[in-house]
Amino acid sequence: EAQVTQNPRYLITVTGKKLTVTCSQNMNHEYMSWYRQDPGLGLRQIYYSMNVEVTDKGDVPEGYKVSRKEKRNFPLILESPSPNQTSLYFCASSPTTVLSYEQYFGPGTRLTVT
Amino acid sequence: SQKIEQNSEALNIQEGKTATLTCNYTNYSPAYLQWYRQDPGRGPVFLLLIRENEKEKRKERLKVTFDTTLKQSLFHITASQPADSATYLCALDSYSSNTGKLIFGQGTTLQVKP
Repeated sequence: EAQVTQNPRYLITVTGKKLTVTCSQNMNHEYMSWYRQDPGLGLRQIYYSMNVEVTDKGDVPEGYKVSRKEKRNFPLILESPSPNQTSLYFCASSPTTVLSYEQYFGPGTRLTVT
Repeated sequence: SQKIEQNSEALNIQEGKTATLTCNYTNYSPAYLQWYRQDPGRGPVFLLLIRENEKEKRKERLKVTFDTTLKQSLFHITASQPADSATYLCALDSYSSNTGKLIFGQGTTLQVKP
């Protein structure tokens, strides 16, 4: 089944403890992206990747890191999480770097930082 | 400043009626605009894409229009059903050159009553 998977789905952690949220797609998509979704602020792009080893900042990249060493994986790294990073996170992928194609979203990761 | 706005108030309609959702943008020149559906706690699901040179796009009971002069897209669901109840998001590329940076509106929640 074609899909985008994220792990973990739920995570509660403490301030400053490094964490990684994994994202994987099995559709051989070139484009991948991370978003966070907060009440009243909607869906905001954190980072995106046009292809392997090519990443760029979205609207809210502060406090996050990403890497794209393989086409299928695009992990999101929080080196020192803070409470303001408590949010619902979505990974997405798209067939090409031309955004005239739809994005496929993962199921989401709900992160709580205390 | 750049903005993409959707009506933040929920839209309540009776089953069988046509629902019309609005997406307005300011200081963007998108080459296309996308519409997604999101159910609570789940990732957005792609519905339709319309390009700047297209006035209208249809898919089953869905219709999207795109007016680059008014800087507005309208999303219509005809013969609405309770199963159409969800939040609907519009999204556009922040530049017409396909940079990969996608901007989402905050979404409008539609409630269809039987």
